Amino acid sequence: DTGVSQDPRHKITKRGQNVTFRCDPISEHNRLYWYRQTLGQGPEFLTYFQNEAQLEKSRLLSDRFSAERPKGSFSTLEIQRTEQGDSAMYLCASSLGTSGPSDTQYFGPGTRLTVL
Amino acid sequence: AQSVAQPEDQVNVAEGNPLTVKCTYSVSGNPYLFWYVQYPNRGLQFLLKYITGDNLVKGSYGFEAEFNKSQTSFHLKKPSALVSDSALYFCAVRDAMDSSYKLIFGSGTRLLVRP
Repeated sequence: DTGVSQDPRHKITKRGQNVTFRCDPISEHNRLYWYRQTLGQGPEFLTYFQNEAQLEKSRLLSDRFSAERPKGSFSTLEIQRTEQGDSAMYLCASSLGTSGPSDTQYFGPGTRLTVL
Repeated sequence: AQSVAQPEDQVNVAEGNPLTVKCTYSVSGNPYLFWYVQYPNRGLQFLLKYITGDNLVKGSYGFEAEFNKSQTSFHLKKPSALVSDSALYFCAVRDAMDSSYKLIFGSGTRLLVRP
């Protein structure tokens, strides 16, 4: 399967713990996006990378959140001092980057985070 | 500000009947419009998109969508529904004038196709 992959698929943690999620985009896709989806809602944008550069961050991305894409390939999203309100599905997407804003974003299966 | 509205939380249709899932949008410039489908515990799967040109866009699994600029709508349609089409459908928009690459999603419409 050459789609977007995410690891882990599920994560249960206690409040106050740190968690890290990984996303592997489709090969040769130079744009990578993170979204958060809560129950009954559509995905909400968190951040976006063009190769290794983080070009945009949402106001939803508080200081406790950090994302990296160190070599322009896989990306990690870390949440420090988790809160119950962080419980959500975290979705990663990638796009080729050759069509400008009309690029199609392809999504991974998501990481479901539950904070107890 | 960009926004997407999906006015129906749920759409119920009988297998074999045509289906329509509604979407309206608001952007400052020209819209790029997308439909995605989400199955339980899965990520979003791309169905189709409108960038420019023909107002009727054909996509995966027999789905199509009609762009209507005057009504600012992009409704998803399928001539004959299948039980396997039952899923959560999301409409998304990006403003062509916006330098951001983020997608703005609607709240989703659950499609239930009964046998």
